[in-house]
Amino acid sequence: DADVTQTPRNRITKTGKRIMLECSQTKGHDRMYWYRQDPGLGLRLIYYSFDVKDINKGEISDGYSVSRQAQAKFSLSLESAIPNQTALYFCATSDSTVVQDSWDEQYFGPGTRLTVT
Amino acid sequence: AQSVTQLGSHVSVSEGALVLLRCNYSSSVPPYLFWYVQYPNQGLQLLLKYTSAATLVKGINGFEAEFKKSETSFHLTKPSAHMSDAAEYFCAVSKFGNEKLTFGTGTRLTIIP
Repeated sequence: DADVTQTPRNRITKTGKRIMLECSQTKGHDRMYWYRQDPGLGLRLIYYSFDVKDINKGEISDGYSVSRQAQAKFSLSLESAIPNQTALYFCATSDSTVVQDSWDEQYFGPGTRLTVT
Repeated sequence: AQSVTQLGSHVSVSEGALVLLRCNYSSSVPPYLFWYVQYPNQGLQLLLKYTSAATLVKGINGFEAEFKKSETSFHLTKPSAHMSDAAEYFCAVSKFGNEKLTFGTGTRLTIIP
């Protein structure tokens, strides 16, 4: 089973609708991230969370909100979707404990392709 | 603020030829630098990372990168391209290791048979 899972994998929604993208991880990591990927722009950070009680805005947080329901779950919401939020969304996790060589690696989910019409 | 610039949004090389993907960084402090690969319809996977331990970094699948402070570069190379290397490659920089990666715009690598 995948360590970082995202649901749904694909979603088409209409302008103005509320939508939630979910991310779950079994890696036991404390840090979680949401990115969006647009062609020619790479990945940009939307929100990140260093633990359940710590939520931080990234570089493009406008129009998005997040919820860290548990250490393993981090959800991204679009309260009122608009067409320019059409993109590929990735969740990622990392481990803050500095004991292993892989501590500074982020692990990515498979992505959610969102289309807003 | 940290940033990276990837020169060339598309690179094509023949199978067996040298792969060179360019990345230049901007950072006010010694950076942590990463190369990630994204295969079609998949998430990103770490290829290699620079964390100040050694300037020449070896990664998975035969890739390596050299950190050159004087040139503010972290170019990715592989001596001999394989068809399975076709993917999109992202350079990324961070100020504090695994926190808040800033990605480049990506380079799509095509391998010509």
